[in-house]
Amino acid sequence: GQQLNQSPQSMFIQEGEDVSMNCTSSSIFNTWLWYKQDPGEGPVLLIALYKAGELTSNGRLTAQFGITRKDSFLNISASIPSDVGIYFCAGGKAGTALIFGKGTTLSVSS
Amino acid sequence: DTAVSQTPKYLVTQMGNDKSIKCEQNLGHDTMYWYKQDSKKFLKIMFSYNNKELIINETVPNRFSPKSPDKAHLNLHINSLELGDSAVYFCASSQGFDYGYTFGSGTRLTVV
Repeated sequence: GQQLNQSPQSMFIQEGEDVSMNCTSSSIFNTWLWYKQDPGEGPVLLIALYKAGELTSNGRLTAQFGITRKDSFLNISASIPSDVGIYFCAGGKAGTALIFGKGTTLSVSS
Repeated sequence: DTAVSQTPKYLVTQMGNDKSIKCEQNLGHDTMYWYKQDSKKFLKIMFSYNNKELIINETVPNRFSPKSPDKAHLNLHINSLELGDSAVYFCASSQGFDYGYTFGSGTRLTVV
């Protein structure tokens, strides 16, 4: 089946640092979404991107829909301890359910 | 108000048993899903329903049978449970396939 290549797999950073993660695919998607999952909870939508080239922010989070429609990145600025969790990218296209990347586990030390 | 609620939160059962997981959404969404998250945290689609109709059925053993009595509910019944079925199962809903999905908090199934 289709796969999304998400990197890095894990990150260990200091509080206050900026973070960047990305997702690439061999397939074109109509939608790119970024989710965060806390322990014992379901993934929560952070940012949804619906147009190639779109750049969207949500507080300290910024994400972009790649112009080729085959990639997306998520940046987190000035990280804080509550940013800890697993971040997933997901690609969507008509007629199929979202396909998820394998996640980036973020650890933040204060 | 919980948008997508699933019960139970935890389920521990013996091999060979049959169990059900229930899911309800109060968002008015037309489409509902079941995802399985394995021990490596990989999320994989199992089923999707649109307005009570089965739309997606990935290569899931036929021991797994979803049922949607109305568009706000999507239940998952599992027959003859196996050790490999142990995972976290998430229900989700959305307005359409490529819109943002809202997930429930998951059901951790442990088969012993």
